[in-house]
Amino acid sequence: DVKVTQSSRYLVKRTGEKVFLECVQDMDHENMFWYRQDPGLGLRLIYFSYDVKMKEKGDIPEGYSVSREKKERFSLILESASTNQTSMYLCASTGPGGEEKLFFGSGTQLSVL
Amino acid sequence: DQQVKQNSPSLSVQEGRISILNCDYTNSMFDYFLWYKKYPAEGPTFLISISSIKDKNEDGRFTVFLNKSAKHLSLHIVPSQPGDSAVYFCAASDGNFNKFYFGSGTKLNVKP
Repeated sequence: DVKVTQSSRYLVKRTGEKVFLECVQDMDHENMFWYRQDPGLGLRLIYFSYDVKMKEKGDIPEGYSVSREKKERFSLILESASTNQTSMYLCASTGPGGEEKLFFGSGTQLSVL
Repeated sequence: DQQVKQNSPSLSVQEGRISILNCDYTNSMFDYFLWYKKYPAEGPTFLISISSIKDKNEDGRFTVFLNKSAKHLSLHIVPSQPGDSAVYFCAASDGNFNKFYFGSGTKLNVKP
C-alpha cells in the first residue's frame, strides 16, 4: 500500500512565523500535491510537483512556497504565517499505474494565532 | 468559481437504506471522476471512480452514476451502514492528472 506521511498532525504557530510542513511518500511517485481543506470550500490545490525540483502553482499559491529536493519528499512553506492560513493541510501523491488516483496523507491541522 | 459542486452539505440516512450523494460539474473537459471518503482527523481515502466513457461503475455497496449531458454524477450506497458516516468528496480531472478539482463535500450520517 502507498504510504504518504505528514510529519505533524497538529501545529500551532504565531503570526509572522515561517512554517514548514513536510510530506514523504514511499512509492516512488512522480507527482506530489499540497491541498488545504476548509469548511464549505472543499479541497483547494496550493502547489504541485511532477518531478524533483519542478513545481507548479495551483489555485491558491499566494503566501506559500514549496520545495522538492528529493523525489519522495515535498515540503510546503508558509513564508510568514497569517491567521487566514489556519486550515487542514493535506499532502497527496500519484504515480505510474495510478495517476488517476490521489493518495493522501493524514493531514496537518495548522492553527496560526 | 468552483467547477465541481456538492450542493448538499449534509445528509442523514437510516441504517440499511440507500444513501445518494450528488455532485455537479461545469467543465465539459472533465473526463474522469472520483469519490473520496474522509473521516475526522484523517486524510481522504479513494472510494470509487468512473471514466466518461461509462455511465455506471459498481464496487460492492457503492455505485457511481454519470450523466454527461447533465454534467451530474451521483454516489449510491446500498445498504448504508453506520461506518459509512463520513464526509464524501467528489473530484474531477480533465485527463491531465496533475489537477483534480474537488467539491465542498457532503457529510453523511447513517443512523443505527
